[in-house]
Amino acid sequence: GAGVSQSPSNKVTEKGKDVELRCDPISGHTALYWYRQSLGQGLEFLIYFQGNSAPDKSGLPSDRFSAERTGGSVSTLTIQRTQQEDSAVYLCASSPREGVKETQYFGPGTRLLVL
Amino acid sequence: EDQVTQSPEALRLQEGESSSLNCSYTVSGLRGLFWYRQDPGKGPEFLFTLYSAGEEKEKERLKATLTKKESFLHITAPKPEDSATYLCAVLPRPGRRALTFGSGTRLQVQP
Repeated sequence: GAGVSQSPSNKVTEKGKDVELRCDPISGHTALYWYRQSLGQGLEFLIYFQGNSAPDKSGLPSDRFSAERTGGSVSTLTIQRTQQEDSAVYLCASSPREGVKETQYFGPGTRLLVL
Repeated sequence: EDQVTQSPEALRLQEGESSSLNCSYTVSGLRGLFWYRQDPGKGPEFLFTLYSAGEEKEKERLKATLTKKESFLHITAPKPEDSATYLCAVLPRPGRRALTFGSGTRLQVQP
């Protein structure tokens, strides 16, 4: 079946502009995660959605970052007033539900470059 | 603070030359340890989950093991197609929902 999809696959923007990154999780998965992978760094947790519960935003690095999930499916990560340090690969993952036995399946990522 | 350290950072092997990758962790209450494979330009691909010390999982040429302080990913008789970055991640204490990842080991297998 279809895996997690993300768009765009690549995004180049100028410093100070806003960007929106999209994630389509695997159909039926209720848990959705956003991570960031910077060059030479491990994956860094950003935000987590589970069903209709309030999202866990504890990993967002600043108030320029926000995310929403509409209808329990598609999610959009928004970065306002982008900075060069925001350049990274943004990865989305989904799992059937929360829990240690629920594997997180990752999308291909969006490569963001802020000039 | 939860911490995951992978070693070596990079490893070059000849085809057929077996080796092991290490993942050491310091977490408060390990609930699960995960191994992923990541190819250039792609997202991580799930390999294994280990839940308790002494557990082992195998898939083709890969075998993952877990102790109370570290996990090993053993690669037996690797092939060039095994070349990738291997990521280790932990799911720590209850209430923490997201994985904590190490920086990965870049494996290159030469024919």
